[in-house]
Amino acid sequence: SQKIEQNSEALNIQEGKTATLTCNYTNYSPAYLQWYRQDPGRGPVFLLLIRENEKEKRKERLKVTFDTTLKQSLFHITASQPADSATYLCALGSNFGNEKLTFGTGTRLTIIP
Amino acid sequence: SAVISQKPSRDICQRGTSLTIQCQVDSQVTMMFWYRQQPGQSLTLIATANQGSEATYESGFVIDKFPISRPNLTFSTLTVSNMSPEDSSIYLCSGLSGTHNEQFFGPGTRLTVL
Repeated sequence: SQKIEQNSEALNIQEGKTATLTCNYTNYSPAYLQWYRQDPGRGPVFLLLIRENEKEKRKERLKVTFDTTLKQSLFHITASQPADSATYLCALGSNFGNEKLTFGTGTRLTIIP
Repeated sequence: SAVISQKPSRDICQRGTSLTIQCQVDSQVTMMFWYRQQPGQSLTLIATANQGSEATYESGFVIDKFPISRPNLTFSTLTVSNMSPEDSSIYLCSGLSGTHNEQFFGPGTRLTVL
């Protein structure tokens, strides 16, 4: 069965350092992968999309890589700030005609001042 | 981007009763979805809400338990029927829009069934 795992439930990073979150999947051939941020008591907020034929995407302090051979995506936050503390979810889409997403388990990131 | 509101934001219900959750989008979206999120866990897709036709349900979810309506492009309802404590969860709706296939989520409805 399809499985999406994010490497750790919780991650603590010192302010200013780079936070790296991992998303691994099995039994899945996604057309694209998305990352969302979720704060307590709120719905997820879209951050980035990367397509299967793209290796890397950047947006301000965020960087996402996508390796379809390893079946893995890495999500980096550089120069991390306490305001980056949240739960981060990866989500996979099977194709652009069918927009259903399958979400990963999430990683709760805490940036320590 | 789309802004999505949900009503109610939370409710406490007795087992055996039903609750209808409303989802309103401030602009037209191509698709709308309903998710369930157990405390501390990720999102599980319940169904895709189709305008003017029956919703498309995911494995493990059925129309009799979770009837869904979508009368127009900006509004949908999810009913949780004949509730049991196992239905206690956060229910989220989302709309698909934008150039990146991003989904915009509502704030969620926190349901507790006693």
